[in-house]
Amino acid sequence: EAGVAQSPRYKIIEKRQSVAFWCNPISGHATLYWYQQILGQGPKLLIQFQNNGVVDDSQLPKDRFSAERLKGVDSTLKIQPAKLEDSAVYLCASSFPGLAGSEGSYEQYFGPGTRLTVT
Amino acid sequence: AQKITQTQPGMFVQEKEAVTLDCTYDTSDQSYGLFWYKQPSSGEMIFLIYQGSYDEQNATEGRYSLNFQKARKSANLVISASQLGDSAMYFCAMREPLMDSSYKLIFGSGTRLLVRP
Repeated sequence: EAGVAQSPRYKIIEKRQSVAFWCNPISGHATLYWYQQILGQGPKLLIQFQNNGVVDDSQLPKDRFSAERLKGVDSTLKIQPAKLEDSAVYLCASSFPGLAGSEGSYEQYFGPGTRLTVT
Repeated sequence: AQKITQTQPGMFVQEKEAVTLDCTYDTSDQSYGLFWYKQPSSGEMIFLIYQGSYDEQNATEGRYSLNFQKARKSANLVISASQLGDSAMYFCAMREPLMDSSYKLIFGSGTRLLVRP
């Protein structure tokens, strides 16, 4: 079974430039997540999709970050314009949809991430 | 709101020995789930083990086991017979419910484990 695919793996841009990341989840996974992981910290959820609808984007800096998931499969995350503090690893994950009170694990499967450096 | 605390920034263990990575959590929910993920230097997060709050037995997956103490709100990861390939960052995470009854994961700050030959 193919895992979560992400591209590019590395990106270096100057501040105020734009950048886009792409994610292809595991086939059949309706839920897709974008995380930001700053060096030395745990991942922080930016946005969560259920099919092509947004479930949670409370921690997405909407003045500069945007994300879409057309047709409920692939997703793109865009930053425009980038700031120095956006330097981080951006992780995409997918899972079967799970309910918070269920007993199943519904674990999330992560892609290799995109390491963004803003200079 | 849920909170996950990992108090050990770094740990050393001798190859073939067992090691315990600490995780405490805070939640007001009656039903919840706890996860451990491994992140090698390659960057990918790898799911290791899951414990549901109603599970009466501690979860085990091969060399990984979860020491779940509900009253103390702790979910420590135990790795037995450590291997050099176990050197990585380890993250504890908890499910946080969302408005539509789905959930998101809240991660701790992680523990870096180094296995010495």
